[in-house]
Amino acid sequence: DTAVSQTPKYLVTQMGNDKSIKCEQNLGHDTMYWYKQDSKKFLKIMFSYNNKELIINETVPNRFSPKSPDKAHLNLHINSLELGDSAVYFCASSPSGSTQYFGPGTRLLVL
Amino acid sequence: GDSVTQMEGPVTLSEEAFLTINCTYTATGYPSLFWYVQYPGEGLQLLLKATKADDKGSNKGFEATYRKETTSFHLEKGSVQVSDSAVYFCALRGNTGANSKLTFGKGITLSVRP
Repeated sequence: DTAVSQTPKYLVTQMGNDKSIKCEQNLGHDTMYWYKQDSKKFLKIMFSYNNKELIINETVPNRFSPKSPDKAHLNLHINSLELGDSAVYFCASSPSGSTQYFGPGTRLLVL
Repeated sequence: GDSVTQMEGPVTLSEEAFLTINCTYTATGYPSLFWYVQYPGEGLQLLLKATKADDKGSNKGFEATYRKETTSFHLEKGSVQVSDSAVYFCALRGNTGANSKLTFGKGITLSVRP
């Protein structure tokens, strides 16, 4: 049983396109996160939602828009993709203030 | 702000060698500390954690002790295996709110040769 799942696993697209990445967790957690891992493996928080409300927004370009339809889902929509958006995007979830569990990642390549 | 500093890598060891990966942190208050591991082509998995000073986290033969006096959380394993080859991330979660983010170190790649 997958605890935190992401789709798609791989995404290759052209510059300027709009794309979405989906995340779902079946752990009953009330907090979800998006992290970006760059080509040097450095991980940085992008967003956090708690019970469908935005809690953390870490100076991310407004081309990135998270959406949480319910507390089990946190999707990430990216407009006008740029070369520098190429990275691995990880979703995570946690009970409030507790250990975070990560999804398998979505590998985005912008050509 | 919060920060985590890991030793520079990569690290290459022979099987059964002793492993130490250094991690130090800067944070206000009393953060929780974590080690995550990323195997090739996979996502992050929690390896171990410690939530207060002098706690020792342990899992799969790995150990790390939360040392507040030296602000450190070094990862150790007595005898590494080829299957331990991965990227290891030290991280902290601040204690300033229920939904505090994780702050990661830069990660270090470990390669274990037979």
